[in-house]
Amino acid sequence: NAGVTQTPKFRVLKTGQSMTLLCAQDMNHEYMYWYRQDPGMGLRLIHYSVGEGTTAKGEVPDGYNVSRLKKQNFLLGLESAAPSQTSVYFCASSTSGESYNEQFFGPGTRLTVL
Amino acid sequence: GQNIDQPTEMTATEGAIVQINCTYQTSGFNGLFWYQQHAGEAPTFLSYNVLDGLEEKGRFSSFLSRTKGYSYLLLKELQMKDSASYLCAVLDSNYQLIWGAGTKLIIKP
Repeated sequence: NAGVTQTPKFRVLKTGQSMTLLCAQDMNHEYMYWYRQDPGMGLRLIHYSVGEGTTAKGEVPDGYNVSRLKKQNFLLGLESAAPSQTSVYFCASSTSGESYNEQFFGPGTRLTVL
Repeated sequence: GQNIDQPTEMTATEGAIVQINCTYQTSGFNGLFWYQQHAGEAPTFLSYNVLDGLEEKGRFSSFLSRTKGYSYLLLKELQMKDSASYLCAVLDSNYQLIWGAGTKLIIKP
């Protein structure tokens, strides 16, 4: 099993450009999450999904959109990138969102917006 | 607001014991997680506590006091490979994980 995979691993964008980050999991997990991680701060939840066809906003959703058309995939889109979106983005998945259900993380995408 | 506090950085010696503290103030509590994150890598699960007390798992133990809003991660017989950041996270009343900024642990020979 590959677990959780993310593409791309690195990307440099210019301000105003758009891109999509892809997350895939092969563990048949219902829940999927997108986080960003910035120096000196904890992981912050951008959007999440509790099942195929559903999405919900997290703590910092502005400037991002997501889609979960297939259970195994969760896409994060940046329509018009800004330097403030320079960060490391992690996708994670779990069997559910309740109590003892550890989240499994992908390797991350390092995004720089110039 | 919701807040999780951990020391920014700690240094310890190979073979020794280190305790990493975490205090939290969150809207509701449905458990506390500890994750390990090596530099440039993804976080990986270490432990979960929902009841007060100590959970032991090999060289790692995690303690929780819900009344004090406090947890610690205890690492024994430190190895160089334990050099990493340790992330404390609380599952709040909405079953969302609130993350601390992490504690960078440096192990010296």
